Amino acid sequence: EAQVTQNPRYLITVTGKKLTVTCSQNMNHEYMSWYRQDPGLGLRQIYYSMNVEVTDKGDVPEGYKVSRKEKRNFPLILESPSPNQTSLYFCASSLQYGIVTDTQYFGPGTRLTVL
Amino acid sequence: ELKVEQNPLFLSMQEGKNYTIYCNYSTTSDRLYWYRQDPGKSLESLFVLLSNGAVKQEGRLMASLDTKARLSTLHITAAVHDLSATYFCAVDLPSGGYQKVTFGTGTKLQVIP
Repeated sequence: EAQVTQNPRYLITVTGKKLTVTCSQNMNHEYMSWYRQDPGLGLRQIYYSMNVEVTDKGDVPEGYKVSRKEKRNFPLILESPSPNQTSLYFCASSLQYGIVTDTQYFGPGTRLTVL
Repeated sequence: ELKVEQNPLFLSMQEGKNYTIYCNYSTTSDRLYWYRQDPGKSLESLFVLLSNGAVKQEGRLMASLDTKARLSTLHITAAVHDLSATYFCAVDLPSGGYQKVTFGTGTKLQVIP
């Protein structure tokens, strides 16, 4: 089954404790991206990766890092989480962003709470 | 900075009625996307619009793009309860390879039986 998986799905942590949210896709997609969703703000892009060689910042990259060492995985790293990073996080992938027959597949989401 | 605005933010409509959701954006772009999100769920891609005048239809939903007016519409025909969800439009920021994406704040649609 074609899918994007995220782990963990739910996480409660404390300020300053490093964490990683994993994202994996089994569709051989080139493009992957991370978003955060907050009430009243919609979804905001954190980082994206066009392919293994190209990764760049989205609109809200502060406090986050990413790594794209292999095509299928795109982990999101919070080196020192703070309460303002409490949010719902989505990973997404697409074969090649924006082409006519393309579509973005979203993971199930990770609800993160930073105390 | 690209701004994407959706109207209305909340829409309550009766089954069988027609309505349109509007998505305005502030910077030139010819790539626009529509998504659906059910409560507590992830996002589902509905439409990808890649050129001026593009129109796509799927069931009771039809999306169009006017790049000159910087406007996309999502038209709902004869609404049914199953269409109740939050709908987002998203626009590519035109820089380089069209990679950054800005979402609208969403339109929460409630279809009343």
